[in-house]
This record gives sequence, C-alpha cells and structure tokens, in this order.
Amino acid sequence: EIVLTQSPATLSLSPGERATLSCRASQSVSSYLAWYQQKPGQTPRLLIYDASNRATGIPARFSGSGSGTDFTLTISSLEPEDFAVYYCQQRNNWPPLTFGGGTKVEIK
Amino acid sequence: QVQLVESGGGVVQPGGSLRLSCSVSGLIFSVYGMHWVRQAPGKGLEWVAFIRYDASDKQYAESVKGRFTISRDNSENTLYLQMNSLKTEDTAVYYCAKDLGHTISALYYFDYWGQGTLVTVSS
Repeated sequence: EIVLTQSPATLSLSPGERATLSCRASQSVSSYLAWYQQKPGQTPRLLIYDASNRATGIPARFSGSGSGTDFTLTISSLEPEDFAVYYCQQRNNWPPLTFGGGTKVEIK
Repeated sequence: QVQLVESGGGVVQPGGSLRLSCSVSGLIFSVYGMHWVRQAPGKGLEWVAFIRYDASDKQYAESVKGRFTISRDNSENTLYLQMNSLKTEDTAVYYCAKDLGHTISALYYFDYWGQGTLVTVSS
C-alpha cells in the first residue's frame, strides 16, 4: 500500500499570502496524484488531478506540481474561502486508493 | 445539476448489517464508475470500494473485504453498499463519489460527492 505523508499538518497564513502544501509518497506514483479541499461540514472538492490539471471550475490561483514521490499544491494568494483542510490522493498503485492525512490551512 | 444523495445510515450494534444507497441524478449514471469513501469522526478520508460502470469489476479496501459488497442498479441510477459484520471501527460518514473518468477510461479520482450518511457502530 502506498502511504502519502502530507506536511505541514497545519499551516497558519494570512489572506493574500502564498500557501505551499507538500505530499510525499512512500513509492513512486508517477503523476497520478490529486488534491482535494474540504471545508468544515462540507464534502471534499476535487482541485487538481494527475498532479497538475485543474478540475472544472477551479480558480487559477490553485496549482499543482511534482511527479514520482514529491508533490506540491500551491495557492498563489489565499482568499478567505481557501481556509480548509487539503488532502492528496494517489491512484497509481491500487487497490487501495490512498489519501494523505491532510493539511489544515488556518487563518493566522 | 449533478446530485448524489446517500441514505441508509444509522446506529447498529457490532456484528450487525446495514445497506447504504446512493441515488444519482443529473448525469448518465450507467457510464461512470462509482466509489464509496468514508471519513471517521474528526479523521481523514479512506477509500472503501469501487464499482466499474457496468459492474464487471469491483475493488475493495482490505479493511472491508469480505464484509462489504458494492453493487449498482443502472436502471434505477442507484449505487449500494451492503455492510455486514460491522465493527466499531467502521463508524464513519460514508460518501458515494463519482469517478472523474467514464466507461473503460475510469480515472480513479472523485469529482462529485454526496453529502454523506453517518454509520455508527456501537453497543
């Protein structure tokens, strides 16, 4: 099973700042990695798939990069609605499909 | 618009059974693979099961294999999860989720999610 490790666990930033979230895989997942956003009491929302492709309707301030074992989600300038928990997920070697433990982006 | 609506959650004793349903509208259900994903209270996401668009392939997480069964009725636009031999560690919100791909080109990412149904396994 591929283990995804997200860091940091919590990121404290102010609106307008740049957020950089990391996801590291225990073995290569090629480019088969997605990012999701989940706000309190809401369902997850697909942001990025295949490492760098924005899902439909996702603002351009969200971008993904990486391949192999190291991936990054960047939010170029945080909007108030971006404060949430972010999860990465791999589909390269499955079952199982696996998620990282999440990074919480909170208001500083 | 696309809607996924789960039902069937509730409180059940360890060893009991529940059947979850997910009614899908706003898309051609029969061409999409579907998943169940769960989230324990205050915890992260865990993939549970996948079913191919035509039900010809089903995959499960090891933690539920042999106890849970995923199925679908394309004539009724409904996804199911039969859960048997429930354990306390199965307590979670269960989401149905649509695969981003379609037909033979499933992508194994989740682009639409239901609101979830809470399953509580407790004596």
